[in-house]
Amino acid sequence: SQTIHQWPATLVQPVGSPLSLECTVEGTSNPNLYWYRQAAGRGLQLLFYSVGIGQISSEVPQNLSASRPQDRQFILSSKKLLLSDSGFYLCAWSLRGVETQYFGPGTRLLVL
Amino acid sequence: GNSVTQMEGPVTLSEEAFLTINCTYTATGYPSLFWYVQYPGEGLQLLLKATKADDKGSNKGFEATYRKETTSFHLEKGSVQVSDSAVYFCALRDSNDYKLSFGAGTTVTVRA
Repeated sequence: SQTIHQWPATLVQPVGSPLSLECTVEGTSNPNLYWYRQAAGRGLQLLFYSVGIGQISSEVPQNLSASRPQDRQFILSSKKLLLSDSGFYLCAWSLRGVETQYFGPGTRLLVL
Repeated sequence: GNSVTQMEGPVTLSEEAFLTINCTYTATGYPSLFWYVQYPGEGLQLLLKATKADDKGSNKGFEATYRKETTSFHLEKGSVQVSDSAVYFCALRDSNDYKLSFGAGTTVTVRA
């Protein structure tokens, strides 16, 4: 069966520090991968999605970036965090041509 | 563009009460519709889905029917339990898109 992992689970970072969140999927090949952010009390916003290694589409302009160095690895990064980057970051995957997306446990980021 | 509108919360109910969460959508193509649930401190889990008009999705006592004529996908459960306390998200994926568009989420609290 497929599983999706995210780490760290919780992160507290100062403003201006770098960020690297990792997501890996097991048990499937060539998944579509997604990064979402959920701000406190709000819905989910799609940040990036990827249909293959090195292929990243950005949905909103921001100081975050994403990379997919391996088929089942998706990384969310920032060179300098802002207070507004605080939130709950969720990674998700789906099979090609299948609508359902499956979510990881999330990373809670607090920027102080 | 695509959008999802959910009834605003929070919703507070007593155990064994009837739950309805309204969801309406706007889509340019032929969307699939989803309900996801987020239990406290966790990521999102797929609760149910429907891929075409008049389909009924069901899981864990929850049901939702894809109503194309009213562009709605309301979530219902006849008798809620304390363990149903969570945030519920309605979402759609259009037929010509990778992305899920989410509603803002509805927080449901069930009291014993």
